[in-house]
Amino acid sequence: ELKVEQNPLFLSMQEGKNYTIYCNYSTTSDRLYWYRQDPGKSLESLFVLLSNGAVKQEGRLMASLDTKARLSTLHITAAVHDLSATYFCAVQRGSNTGKLIFGQGTTLQVKP
Amino acid sequence: KAGVTQTPRYLIKTRGQQVTLSCSPISGHRSVSWYQQTPGQGLQFLFEYFSETQRNKGNFPGRFSGRQFSNSRSEMNVSTLELGDSALYLCASSTTNEKLFFGSGTQLSVL
Repeated sequence: ELKVEQNPLFLSMQEGKNYTIYCNYSTTSDRLYWYRQDPGKSLESLFVLLSNGAVKQEGRLMASLDTKARLSTLHITAAVHDLSATYFCAVQRGSNTGKLIFGQGTTLQVKP
Repeated sequence: KAGVTQTPRYLIKTRGQQVTLSCSPISGHRSVSWYQQTPGQGLQFLFEYFSETQRNKGNFPGRFSGRQFSNSRSEMNVSTLELGDSALYLCASSTTNEKLFFGSGTQLSVL
């Protein structure tokens, strides 16, 4: 059974600091997603990572994938308050399926 | 291009009742997936429909069912509601080999 684990589950940080969220998964996967969710809102797609060594960056967020270690990271650079949200990683086995297995989510709180 | 539309946005029901939620995918998307989100269990996959056929199913009791129409719109139904069914229900649509786009969800409260 595919399991996805994130850590930490809660992260409180000061503006301007850097930090990394980790996402481990238990079996091989075809795609790894990172989503952002604001309270009471839906999931916003941030990154889709397809292959080993993939790295994608958008603003202060950078995601990477190591399929051999079954590990993805979401790195936050010089955090700002607007990044406060819950971040989920999700794994998809098979590219032609709508079934994603989600991690527990990491709630990020950025303090001014 | 319109996004994934879910109706209603909020719903309050009592135990034992049944409920139907609706999802209209992005135009051209033939796959619709449903997820349940609760504080305790997180985001869990319910089922996926593609071209009116259920393609994948999660580990939920038979009280949870769904269907998809020829225009790709989908509905999910929960019968004999329980308190534990209170959750945010999210629908996502996609095309072949493309990422999923999520709707705003339906917040269901069971009293």
